[in-house]
Amino acid sequence: DAMVIQNPRYQVTQFGKPVTLSCSQTLNHNVMYWYQQKSSQAPKLLFHYYDKDFNNEADTPDNFQSRRPNTSFCFLDIRSPGLGDAAMYLCATSREGGDPETQYFGPGTRLLVL
Amino acid sequence: AQSVSQHNHHVILSEAASLELGCNYSYGGTVNLFWYVQYPGQHLQLLLKYFSGDPLVKGIKGFEAEFIKSKFSFNLRKPSVQWSDTAEYFCAVSYGNNRLAFGKGNQVVVIP
Repeated sequence: DAMVIQNPRYQVTQFGKPVTLSCSQTLNHNVMYWYQQKSSQAPKLLFHYYDKDFNNEADTPDNFQSRRPNTSFCFLDIRSPGLGDAAMYLCATSREGGDPETQYFGPGTRLLVL
Repeated sequence: AQSVSQHNHHVILSEAASLELGCNYSYGGTVNLFWYVQYPGQHLQLLLKYFSGDPLVKGIKGFEAEFIKSKFSFNLRKPSVQWSDTAEYFCAVSYGNNRLAFGKGNQVVVIP
């Protein structure tokens, strides 16, 4: 089945130690998104790629970076994780055009910062 | 800034009861509206969406939602819930090219 895959499902890192979360998709969608969801809060859009074009949200901290080497893969890099970055990170994809784009979500990666 | 409000974060009800979850948004432009559901241990998935036409939208599993433009609302309803409807429900608004703003969600627990 076509899907959005996130690895790992759980990630533990140390305060200040760089960490990378990965997302892959078999849907061949041209738009990919990264959201941060803290406990009891709404998912918050960090940035998204429209094809190769990177779109950062104005309030996304510089500590968060992203790479999209090809259509299928997208990475979230946290350069120096702080305790406040512990959250669920959701990857989503959509296809531009036609009906309003439905976003397809992966299962998420839960990040714990020690 | 766009915002989405969902009230009554925790909802507990018995099987066969009716469910209504409120969603209000603030955005002056044309909006597309969504309800996503997250079952325990699963990923977010689309329940239903509205972008134009009939303001009463029917989705999967017997859910429906009504868009009331004058009230900036998109409330979700189900006449008779089942235990399997236990999940977290998120309202979302699409704005400004590929962006979704989510509400905080409603945690719904259906007691058999």
